[in-house]
Amino acid sequence: DAMVIQNPRYQVTQFGKPVTLSCSQTLNHNVMYWYQQKSSQAPKLLFHYYDKDFNNEADTPDNFQSRRPNTSFCFLDIRSPGLGDAAMYLCATSRETGPGYEQYFGPGTRLTVT
Amino acid sequence: SQQGEEDPQALSIQEGENATMNCSYKTSINNLQWYRQNSGRGLVHLILIRSNEREKHSGRLRVTLDTSKKSSSLLITASRAADTASYFCAPRKNTGFQKLVFGTGTRLLVSP
Repeated sequence: DAMVIQNPRYQVTQFGKPVTLSCSQTLNHNVMYWYQQKSSQAPKLLFHYYDKDFNNEADTPDNFQSRRPNTSFCFLDIRSPGLGDAAMYLCATSRETGPGYEQYFGPGTRLTVT
Repeated sequence: SQQGEEDPQALSIQEGENATMNCSYKTSINNLQWYRQNSGRGLVHLILIRSNEREKHSGRLRVTLDTSKKSSSLLITASRAADTASYFCAPRKNTGFQKLVFGTGTRLLVSP
């Protein structure tokens, strides 16, 4: 039944050590999103893919990259994590990008940076 | 993109009571969506109300929309402890890509 799956659920990495978070979907949706949610804050969009087209938010740090090798999978790469990157990372999907489409979220990966 | 502002920031009630939270926004919309986030099930879409609708029901949820006042309300009837969560509204504009921009949300605590 799981529709948007994120692995791992908890990730601990060291300061400056690259880390990759993964997301997969069984919904066959065109759009996949990555959000960052820091403690007691609302989720904030980092970037999204429409099919293979990558769309970066203007204020997303260069430290964050993403890959979408196929429809089902999307990865978030943090090249050199800093302490400020500790957060919950949420993956979401939607069928299309129009206003009438809801987003389906995964359970998130909580990243700790030591 | 546009952001909704939820009010109140926090709400504490007893099980069985009704909970009402409000959302205000600033520009014209195509629809408005409500999402819930709790530790158990993560962030989940609850309900979508279109700009030409005034009220919509889904189970114990009732959403109203007043486009003249640019506001929406979410009513949860006969609340349960499992309704404890943060609730976010997301106004969606008419055209083009738009990201979901969440406000600070309403944190609802339902006590047994």
